[in-house]
Amino acid sequence: KQEVTQIPAALSVPEGENLVLNCSFTDSAIYNLQWFRQDPGKGLTSLLLIQSSQREQTSGRLNASLDKSSGRSTLYIAASQPGDSATYLCAVRPHTGNQFYFGTGTSLTVIP
Amino acid sequence: NAGVTQTPKFQVLKTGQSMTLQCAQDMNHNSMYWYRQDPGMGLRLIYYSASEGTTDKGEVPNGYNVSRLNKREFSLRLESAAPSQTSVYFCASSVLQGAETQYFGPGTRLLVL
Repeated sequence: KQEVTQIPAALSVPEGENLVLNCSFTDSAIYNLQWFRQDPGKGLTSLLLIQSSQREQTSGRLNASLDKSSGRSTLYIAASQPGDSATYLCAVRPHTGNQFYFGTGTSLTVIP
Repeated sequence: NAGVTQTPKFQVLKTGQSMTLQCAQDMNHNSMYWYRQDPGMGLRLIYYSASEGTTDKGEVPNGYNVSRLNKREFSLRLESAAPSQTSVYFCASSVLQGAETQYFGPGTRLLVL
């Protein structure tokens, strides 16, 4: 079974700082990987989807990279803002089977 | 577009009671999913429906049943609620199963006493 780990569980940074969130997975045979954002008491919003054949995806101040061989993905947030405060989750879809496996998330606080 | 909607937003049940969680999407998506989110456990898939007329078990299906009523609607039923089913339940949909971005509803918070 695929295991997805996100470390640290919580992160607090001052506004304007660049930061990296980490996601690791145990089985490198993946179909794709997604990064989501979850605000308190809300559902998940998809940020970036990386197919297994891709190395990275970018959207605005966000950049996600994928290294299948090492079982890692990173989400880079440039010039962080207080509005970026949320929990960030990664999810992996294996090549076989029909479900996504989610990490437990990193709770980010950006201090004004 | 409303996206993915879920009802109710919050529910309290007593052990042994039954209830149905409703989910609807207006994006003409083929695939729909039910997850539960528990502290320290991440999201876990309960059931999914790859297309209208089909349903399959996910990682934690015990104690639940589902119905894909039509392309828009996918319901989750708890026949005899247990305290272990206290959780936040999320419905999601995607154009294709697994290959595309999933869109999530706002969640239903369920407390079983």
